[in-house]
Amino acid sequence: GESVGLHLPTLSVQEGDNSIINCAYSNSASDYFIWYKQESGKGPQFIIDIRSNMDKRQGQRVTVLLNKTVKHLSLQIAATQPGDSAVYFCAEPSRNAGNMLTFGGGTRLMVKP
Amino acid sequence: NAGVTQTPKFRILKIGQSMTLQCTQDMNHNYMYWYRQDPGMGLKLIYYSVGAGITDKGEVPNGYNVSRSTTEDFPLRLELAAPSQTSVYFCASSYSIRGGTNTEAFFGQGTRLTVV
Repeated sequence: GESVGLHLPTLSVQEGDNSIINCAYSNSASDYFIWYKQESGKGPQFIIDIRSNMDKRQGQRVTVLLNKTVKHLSLQIAATQPGDSAVYFCAEPSRNAGNMLTFGGGTRLMVKP
Repeated sequence: NAGVTQTPKFRILKIGQSMTLQCTQDMNHNYMYWYRQDPGMGLKLIYYSVGAGITDKGEVPNGYNVSRSTTEDFPLRLELAAPSQTSVYFCASSYSIRGGTNTEAFFGQGTRLTVV
């Protein structure tokens, strides 16, 4: 899975299926995480965020799960659509570097019709 | 609100030329960032600023300079362009309090730079 660190380059899913994109983090003190979507030729756009006092947060068709025990978070997209095809990044502020955002390597989601 | 605005959108430079990538935000964010993104890769932080008058190096600062004279503007300067600087450059801003609340970063649309 992806990390603010490693990345799984490509995830291919069938239209209508659910997608799960993973991200691991190493700093147990991290308390805020953000998922971004980047479509081809565009800048990253905010999808959803989660703070460490939560285990789950839901948006429209997206859910982020945070497992602090294993330092892992995931982005779940329900009923994946062709418009969901993009690169997805997780990011976190780096407490030891002035809260600058650190991005994972990204996962490219490809939706097959 | 326009959000984060970058100019230009595209630019071709010759080796050794210099240029400034402009970035401005109208959200009164204290943090601003410059990232570069090579094809098929993630975002690498070049420089960031936690407020007017303060800048810090990121992961890949060599060959670049920045300034932050106002809250709104955060220009990125390339002094002697090299082919290795061919990339897409993104500016971003966020609101953050050290040790406190953070918000998500908002990104500009990017500047595609080619050095030949």
